[in-house]
Amino acid sequence: EIVLTQSPGTLSLSPGERATLSCRAGQSVTTTSLAWYQQKPGQAPRLLIFGASSRATGIPDRFSGSGSGTDFTLTISRLEPEDFAVYYCQQYGNSVTFGGGTKVEIK
Amino acid sequence: QVQLVQSGAEVKKPGSSVKVSCKASGGTFSNYAFIWVRQAPGQGLEWMGGIIPIFGTPNYAQKFHDRVTINADKSTSTAYMELSSLRSDDTAVYYCARALAFSGVIVGAPDYWGQGTLVTVS
Repeated sequence: EIVLTQSPGTLSLSPGERATLSCRAGQSVTTTSLAWYQQKPGQAPRLLIFGASSRATGIPDRFSGSGSGTDFTLTISRLEPEDFAVYYCQQYGNSVTFGGGTKVEIK
Repeated sequence: QVQLVQSGAEVKKPGSSVKVSCKASGGTFSNYAFIWVRQAPGQGLEWMGGIIPIFGTPNYAQKFHDRVTINADKSTSTAYMELSSLRSDDTAVYYCARALAFSGVIVGAPDYWGQGTLVTVS
């Protein structure tokens, strides 16, 4: 099983600031098989990024993904009020695993 | 429009079993994998297993392999997840999600998710 470790656990930022979220894998992940999700309280996860860097349908371009191998990053260029949520990385190339999540909270 | 509609909330006694359904509409059922993910209160997402209906053979996370059964009914476009020997720490929201599959392998990120089913073990 591929273990995904997300950091930081919590990110305290203000609207308009840039958010950088990290996801590190215990072994190399196929770049085409790394995704990022956003989850708000009481809602199902929402797919943001697939294939490490491709935005899902309807996702604003302030969200971007990058990385390869064992290190991946989700960047939110300028935080909007609706972006404060929990974010999860996921790999789906070798079975399926999720990272522990990063909470982006209002500072 | 693709929709995954899950069965309603359940309250179960410890030691019993629960079966959650996930009915898909708006897409080709058999070309996709259906995975099950759970989320305990205040916790993260945990993959339980999945199935590609056209192949029929499920794949389970090691943690659940002796307690979970996942299957699918192509005639009704419905996937099922049954968890047995329930414990209080199985209290969680259980989600199904759909992922593109090819030749028996998941090749796309799970994109459509059900609304979640709360299972309370008490």
